[in-house]
Amino acid sequence: DTAVSQTPKYLVTQMGNDKSIKCEQNLGHDTMYWYKQDSKKFLKIMFSYNNKELIINETVPNRFSPKSPDKAHLNLHINSLELGDSAVYFCASSWGPGIQYFGAGTRLSVL
Amino acid sequence: KNEVEQSPQNLTAQEGEFITINCSYSVGISALHWLQQHPGGGIVSLFMLSSGKKKHGRLIATINIQEKHSSLHITASHPRDSAVYICAAGGSQGNLIFGKGTKLSVKP
Repeated sequence: DTAVSQTPKYLVTQMGNDKSIKCEQNLGHDTMYWYKQDSKKFLKIMFSYNNKELIINETVPNRFSPKSPDKAHLNLHINSLELGDSAVYFCASSWGPGIQYFGAGTRLSVL
Repeated sequence: KNEVEQSPQNLTAQEGEFITINCSYSVGISALHWLQQHPGGGIVSLFMLSSGKKKHGRLIATINIQEKHSSLHITASHPRDSAVYICAAGGSQGNLIFGKGTKLSVKP
């Protein structure tokens, strides 16, 4: 039973399309995150939600819109995809600022 | 200069060797995290520490808050320890600022 699950695992799409990545955690955590890992394998936080409320929004283009329908879910919607959006996106969750549990990642390729 | 610096960037060791990876940070932290990214891409949290030392199996993490420095040690290294080890500075809201990672390869 996966603790933090992301779907899809792979996403290949054309420039200009809109796509969503879903994340669900069954750990009962109150905080969820989206991270981006670029082609150089560098990880950077994008968003953080605590109890469905946005608490961190790093300098991410507003084409990226996170949505948290409940504490267990944090989805990421991306409009008008660009080549530079190609990366691996990781979802994670934690109790407050505690140890984080990561999903397996979604590899997005924009052609 | 990055807010979280790791060294070395790459490390090759023989099986059985004692390994040390270093991390220095320049930001205020709530805690310091060590993570492992497997060759397949999955990320696992190894340690979260705000003072002293923690041990889990053959892994030991230490932190010196005054010097803003942390180390990850692996005793009796094994080829299955081959992975990227990432240090991250944790803020009070849980946000992590990551180092660039240390790629460890342990040869049999």
